[in-house]
Formats: sequence, C-alpha cells, structure tokens
Amino acid sequence: GPKVLQIPSHQIIDMGQMVTLNCDPVSNHLYFYWYKQILGQQMEFLVNFYNGKVMEKSKLFKDQFSVERPDGSYFTLKIQPTALEDSAVYFCASSFTGQLYFGEGSKLTVL
Amino acid sequence: GQQVQQSPPASLVLQEGENAELQCTYSTTLNSMQWFYQRPGGRLVSLLYSPSWAEQRGGRLTSSAASNESRSSLHISSSQITDSGTYLCAMGNTNAYKVIFGKGTHLHVLP
Repeated sequence: GPKVLQIPSHQIIDMGQMVTLNCDPVSNHLYFYWYKQILGQQMEFLVNFYNGKVMEKSKLFKDQFSVERPDGSYFTLKIQPTALEDSAVYFCASSFTGQLYFGEGSKLTVL
Repeated sequence: GQQVQQSPPASLVLQEGENAELQCTYSTTLNSMQWFYQRPGGRLVSLLYSPSWAEQRGGRLTSSAASNESRSSLHISSSQITDSGTYLCAMGNTNAYKVIFGKGTHLHVLP
C-alpha cells in the first residue's frame, strides 16, 4: 500500500534544543497530519496541514511547535525549544480523501 | 471537545475461534471512521475505512455504523492468535481536517 516515510526513526536531544522531524507523505496526498503518542497511551492529534496552511490544531500544538512543507518537499514538525514533556513518538499521516496512511513514527527523547 | 470512546475500554480476552466486537462512540457529529491495528512496535496498520458510515468488509473484518446512535463497530470473526494486539478507531470531521482517535482496545486471543 501507499508508504509514508519518517526521518529520523529515533532522535535524542537535550532539553532546550531544536528538533525537526521529517515526513515524506504519499505523493498525491493533500492532507498532512502530525500525532503524538506517549508509550502505552492514546494517539493524540496535533495538527492538520492543507493547501499550505494549518487548518486544525489541538491544545497540544504549543507555540513552540511549527509545521511546514516548502515546495512539496518534506512535511516537517519543528519543536523549538524542546521540553521534557515532548518526549514521545510522533507519527505523520497523509490523506487524499480522508483515509489516513501513517508512517512508522519518530521517537523523540528529550533529556 | 470532541471525544471518541472505545469499548471494551481496556482489553478483551477471547478463545481462538471466537468472534469479537469492538465499538466506538463519539460525542459530536463526525463524517468518517477508520479502524487501525497498532503493532507492538507502534506502527499503525489501516484495517477498514468508511466515509459516510457505509459498512465495510475485508476478510474476517467488518465495520458497521449507526450514525443516529453515534456508534461504529468492528467485527472480527473466527479470531486467531495473530489477531492479538491493539485496535484503534479514528473518526474524522467533514473536511477531514481533524481525525481523532479512541484510546484503543487490547485484544488477547488465547489458544
């Protein structure tokens, strides 16, 4: 089936540093999403990006978070600065009609 | 805010060969539903997707919906040991700008 790729699979950084998580969505998809999942807990919606804009975001999408997809390249989630509570697995998803396809996740560990 | 509740709320234990029914209920009007299986390592596998609440079938899986009751179900027939894992439902609003997940049900199929 369609593949969503995420880079890196795992990143360890010190609190206060910046991190960028990259997502290569399915080629013809138009909707892009980021989700956050702490181990053993619920998959939490962060943000939806469509037509170059954030269309929906949750309370978890703090001011330190930003997303972009410059010129059809990677869809990125940037966190600056990071906090300890940002440690989680971040999943990217893309969609053409509403059916979501997920990447394998980027595990972020903030020390 | 919008919430998706899954039942059984935590786990379901079955003997191999038994049928399973997992349910999702939602707190507001949503337009589509999707069922996922989450592997132990975290990867999400899409099982069934239903825009506009139509019944969907795939092998031993069937999803059905009662939009007037704000509920959808995933039926697994003749369960197998390899069906064990976490099942998540996700529901989307009309424009699919926001797709939110339930907390998941852990299915344990015993020999």
